[in-house]
Formats: sequence, C-alpha cells, structure tokens
Amino acid sequence: DAGVIQSPRHEVTEMGQEVTLRCKPISGHDYLFWYRQTMMRGLELLIYFNNNVPIDDSGMPEDRFSAKMPNASFSTLKIQPSEPRDSAVYFCASSLGLGNTGELFFGEGSRLTVL
Amino acid sequence: AQSVAQPEDQVNVAEGNPLTVKCTYSVSGNPYLFWYVQYPNRGLQFLLKYITGDNLVKGSYGFEAEFNKSQTSFHLKKPSALVSDSALYFCAVRDRNSGYALNFGKGTSLLVTP
Repeated sequence: DAGVIQSPRHEVTEMGQEVTLRCKPISGHDYLFWYRQTMMRGLELLIYFNNNVPIDDSGMPEDRFSAKMPNASFSTLKIQPSEPRDSAVYFCASSLGLGNTGELFFGEGSRLTVL
Repeated sequence: AQSVAQPEDQVNVAEGNPLTVKCTYSVSGNPYLFWYVQYPNRGLQFLLKYITGDNLVKGSYGFEAEFNKSQTSFHLKKPSALVSDSALYFCAVRDRNSGYALNFGKGTSLLVTP
C-alpha cells in the first residue's frame, strides 16, 4: 500500500492567495483527519470525516478554511484568502474505525509558507 | 475533555543507556493511548498503543510503554537507546466515549548521543 499521499509537499504563496492542499487516504480506511503542526501550538486537529461526512470541524480556525471529501479516496483543505499566520505543516491522516481503537496513519505533510 | 501532557521538551541520553519519555493523560472515561515518532520533514509514524489488557505494551523498534492508571501515565521506554532513535516523540489519547480523533501532546525531542 502506498500509504497516505499528500500534495503538494511544499507550497510558498503570497498573502491573499488561495491555497488548496490535497490528500488521498489509504484504501479502505473510513476516517480521514486534517491536522496542523506549528512550533507554537504543536499538532492541532482541524477537522475529521467518517465515510466522507464531516464529523467534527470545531478545530477549523475560521471561515477562511474549508475542507471537503467528495469521495472515499480524496479530500481537500482550502484556505482562502491565506495569511502569514497560516504558515504551518498540514498533515492528513486516515484510520480504520475499529471500534475507535485504530491508529492513525499519517501522510508526509504539506509545508505551507505564506509570505 | 481529553488531553495529554509531555513534561519534557527534550530528553538527552547516551547510546546504549535506557531511555524514558514521559506522558500523562487526562480523560473523562477510560483512555486509548498511543505513541508516535516523527523524524525530520516526515509524517508521524505509529509506535504502539494501549487499548486494554496487559499494562506493558510492546511496539516497533524495541520500544515499550507502561500504562499506569493510578498515576494516569503512559511513559515510553527502551532498554538500550540507539543514535537512530533521535526524533520527536508524541503521546496521544482518545477517550473511548468521545469520538475518533486523537489529541496529541506537544512532543518531546529525544537526542541520543554516541
């Protein structure tokens, strides 16, 4: 299995631009998570999906952030407009919901720099 | 609410010596506990988990962790550290009664010197 695949690995953009991060979860996994990692705040859960349906988006910082999962093999996290404080590494993870004992499998992350 | 605390930002240990990375947790119910490792510019990799049963859990790369309910701790241990163990280690918790997301600690940087 190829694991969780994220793209792009690196993105540098200017303030005000739209950013779209992409994720392909492990085939057969029914949970997908978006986390953000910064030095100051560590790993923060942004949103997670079960069977393509958003379950908890309470971690999404503000309306500039949106996430979708149109099918079981693809999810996007969009920031519009981007701001310098959005600079972080964004991780996608997937999991098989084995009575919620399952571990998360992480992608390599997308490092976002907003100038 | 569920949370984990990793009281040490950094742990230094000499190669060949035993290592311990500390983690304490707080949940309203019974916890599921996890350890992950992150190497530079990489995603998090699963090491081990405690779900139920034996309090001593063995995982990847010779790591183990001990669940202690009375002390609400889940410390990560390894009998003999390797230089290649140097990385960032995260403890995470999931409350059995509140959803599927993991709540991560801030991480502990482990440095193993030759």
